[in-house]
Amino acid sequence: DQQVKQNSPSLSVQEGRISILNCDYTNSMFDYFLWYKKYPAEGPTFLISISSIKDKNEDGRFTVFLNKSAKHLSLHIVPSQPGDSAVYFCAASARGGSEKLVFGKGMKLTVNP
Amino acid sequence: GAGVSQSPSNKVTEKGKDVELRCDPISGHTALYWYRQSLGQGLEFLIYFQGNSAPDKSGLPSDRFSAERTGGSVSTLTIQRTQQEDSAVYLCASSLLAGAAIPYEQYFGPGTRLTVT
Repeated sequence: DQQVKQNSPSLSVQEGRISILNCDYTNSMFDYFLWYKKYPAEGPTFLISISSIKDKNEDGRFTVFLNKSAKHLSLHIVPSQPGDSAVYFCAASARGGSEKLVFGKGMKLTVNP
Repeated sequence: GAGVSQSPSNKVTEKGKDVELRCDPISGHTALYWYRQSLGQGLEFLIYFQGNSAPDKSGLPSDRFSAERTGGSVSTLTIQRTQQEDSAVYLCASSLLAGAAIPYEQYFGPGTRLTVT
């Protein structure tokens, strides 16, 4: 039973355009959401996060949107750069107790020059 | 300072053998997590430590898996009588603290790729 779902395994965009990565979750106890980026043979690195009390968080070229009623979040990258090519993981956690992260399966983003 | 380090980076073992995977967290980080990523899957939580105690072991797949942390620093994940389905990348992460009002960022190591033949 996957609680965090990234339904598209891959996305290819042109340099300079917008990349939109989507994520859905099923557990209404989740109240903190994160995006991690992973290059081959490296561990995931934290990109951006959002608390459930917000609906948007922006950091430079990266913006995360949260729609709690739809249990959906998305990561927007504008403008996309070739160095953004990586696997992106959506993750979620619930407060009060364990701080474990529940991850989606990841999406491979390719930004073409 | 140094990031999270893991050793070995690659481990090939025969089915039925025991393996030990090591994680060195970032200095000063009190929380340490183990995850694994099987082929085509997302990261799957195994266990986490706050200091030397493990408040959540719910992700350990079976009693063949165990982990310990000593001195609030290094952690070892042990898999006994390995099976082929144990083949995965085992990732360790650390953070300043766990159990706070907002999760602190988890910093990941490069992982140990375990192959059971």
